[in-house]
Amino acid sequence: QITLKESGPTLVKPTQTLTLTCTFSGFSLSTSGVGVGWIRQPPGKALEWLALIYWNDDKRYSPSLKSRLTITKDTSKNQVVLTMTNMDPVDTATYYCARSQGAPINWFDPWGQGTLVTVSS
Amino acid sequence: SYVLTQPPSVSVAPGKTARITCGGNNIGSKSVHWYQQKPGQAPVLVIYYDSDRPSGIPERFSGSNSGNTATLTISRVEAGDEADYYCQVWDSSSDHPGVVFGGGTKLTVL
Repeated sequence: QITLKESGPTLVKPTQTLTLTCTFSGFSLSTSGVGVGWIRQPPGKALEWLALIYWNDDKRYSPSLKSRLTITKDTSKNQVVLTMTNMDPVDTATYYCARSQGAPINWFDPWGQGTLVTVSS
Repeated sequence: SYVLTQPPSVSVAPGKTARITCGGNNIGSKSVHWYQQKPGQAPVLVIYYDSDRPSGIPERFSGSNSGNTATLTISRVEAGDEADYYCQVWDSSSDHPGVVFGGGTKLTVL
């Protein structure tokens, strides 16, 4: 059974840096073609892709957020970490991590339950 | 950057067929994936590679992709199919390849 779970702060202040961890089980990020992605969803709005890291440590970022994002992996711990700098209230959203397959076509399955991050002073 | 356009809403009576479209420039040359998201839940993959179904997804869910439009078709719609549906592609055409999601379609079962 493949599971992913997001963890991190539920509340951050404007200008702070957000660090989220995705802890997964049931698959290895050493397997060719596999990746882990981050996707967010503001309340009542659509999904927005943020970043993706592959088994070979190749990384891809959303062009609109690239300057603020860093994605890393720790294969031995089965974790992927996303950092987002200079947080703003518009970054309030549920943040999901998900396994990606089929590189470079990349679909996401399964997804974690998501974690709601609120940006407020 | 590549844009995927979905209708905001689609309504269908139980037992009928729902068709949710996803428009994009020459989307037929890309692989399209579809997700179902019910309120308060994480998205679930229902179609990948245009028309393949993950295990556990009913055969009532099917997909097609040609020209500038991809379509998710749900046959014999049930009340439990009411959800938001999102299409997704991998855009390799730009200088910065990446994932693109459509704006989502709310399916209402009348």
